[in-house]
Amino acid sequence: DAGITQSPRHKVTETGTPVTLRCHQTENHRYMYWYRQDPGHGLRLIHYSYGVKDTDKGEVSDGYSVSRSKTEDFLLTLESATSSQTSVYFCAITPTGFTEAFFGQGTRLTVV
Amino acid sequence: AQTVTQSQPEMSVQEAETVTLSCTYDTSESDYYLFWYKQPPSRQMILVIRQEAYKQQNATENRFSVNFQKAAKSFSLKISDSQLGDAAMYFCAYRPRTGANSKLTFGKGITLSVRP
Repeated sequence: DAGITQSPRHKVTETGTPVTLRCHQTENHRYMYWYRQDPGHGLRLIHYSYGVKDTDKGEVSDGYSVSRSKTEDFLLTLESATSSQTSVYFCAITPTGFTEAFFGQGTRLTVV
Repeated sequence: AQTVTQSQPEMSVQEAETVTLSCTYDTSESDYYLFWYKQPPSRQMILVIRQEAYKQQNATENRFSVNFQKAAKSFSLKISDSQLGDAAMYFCAYRPRTGANSKLTFGKGITLSVRP
């Protein structure tokens, strides 16, 4: 699993509440990503990071923000959750010297 | 912008037979990587095979092989001697070789079922 831990693994929250998902890596890998997976859409990139405090938007970034204050943690925040953000969220990393991404276990988020 | 297209949402194969999953992509880059990932019901994302665009030889990993056609921007996955454990969702993915924008772009995926 390349030392990637996502927390929480499951969460149910109410519309309008803030939610933060955490991705933690045990190595000092530079590239980290947040994806969401929805039926019929595959995996879509929300935000990514290429270093501490270096982040950029992906294709579906509206309604999401991220922070990376230290190398090992990449946080995804839904400032005010909506039902359209019900999804499975994956964190991924690309270790130095590798070309592919390694994924965390995923977080199933339900917004009711 | 790079796009990855998997036009078949579902496919089925008889156990021990061969199946080919299709993928096309669009990019203006000349150097990049292509991947096939497998996602079983456990939700885990597993790398199946990787192809480097500058290599003309098609990648092979045991029962899995690709047909990489760079000019046609086509990258299909062939699974030989299909097994029940191959039943999963398969995603094609693209990544440019270098740059801070070296992010992974996925297709929508294809669900493969294997008939015993």
